[in-house]
Amino acid sequence: NAGVTQTPKFRILKIGQSMTLQCTQDMNHNYMYWYRQDPGMGLKLIYYSVGAGITDKGEVPNGYNVSRSTTEDFPLRLELAAPSQTSVYFCASSYWTESGNTIYFGEGSWLTVV
Amino acid sequence: EDKVVQSPLSLVVHEGDTVTLNCSYEVTNFRSLLWYKQEKKAPTFLFMLTSSGIEKKSGRLSSILDKKELFSILNITATQTGDSAVYLCAEGGATNKLIFGTGTLLAVQP
Repeated sequence: NAGVTQTPKFRILKIGQSMTLQCTQDMNHNYMYWYRQDPGMGLKLIYYSVGAGITDKGEVPNGYNVSRSTTEDFPLRLELAAPSQTSVYFCASSYWTESGNTIYFGEGSWLTVV
Repeated sequence: EDKVVQSPLSLVVHEGDTVTLNCSYEVTNFRSLLWYKQEKKAPTFLFMLTSSGIEKKSGRLSSILDKKELFSILNITATQTGDSAVYLCAEGGATNKLIFGTGTLLAVQP
């Protein structure tokens, strides 16, 4: 009953370091997303993917990269970490019906850049 | 630009009170309106609304959509301290993305 699994749960980075947040889902969903949520704010879409091999930018893509080589995995790469990237990151996956989109979230990754 | 606006931003009530949370939206190609509850971790799904005037209900929570006036409300009756959370609404648009509002922080005091 795994659903969406993201790692690590917590990480402290120094300015300029790089890291990858891992995300995997076992529901065979085509759609996957990365959101960030700053304190007291809503969710902002970083990147999303509608299927293996296809990715697209969301609202706040600068400073991030993604890849989608398989249906299951959607890692988020931070290059040259900056304090502005301190946030909680949520990976999510979804399936679409004619009515809309039901999205399932991972438990979040708390990232601090110092 | 598509947007989702929630009000109030925060709300403090006492146990047993009834609360109404508001969500208005301006989007092209509306598809569905979703409500989530977020406690300490990831948001959890509450409702998906696609048709005007049809109330969705789950226990003490209910929600309804007005597609003419472009808003939805989430009602919680007989609130409990366990209802304390951030409530998010989102529009599940035709562009494969979900557009979230900033959320309403609900605090239920004993």
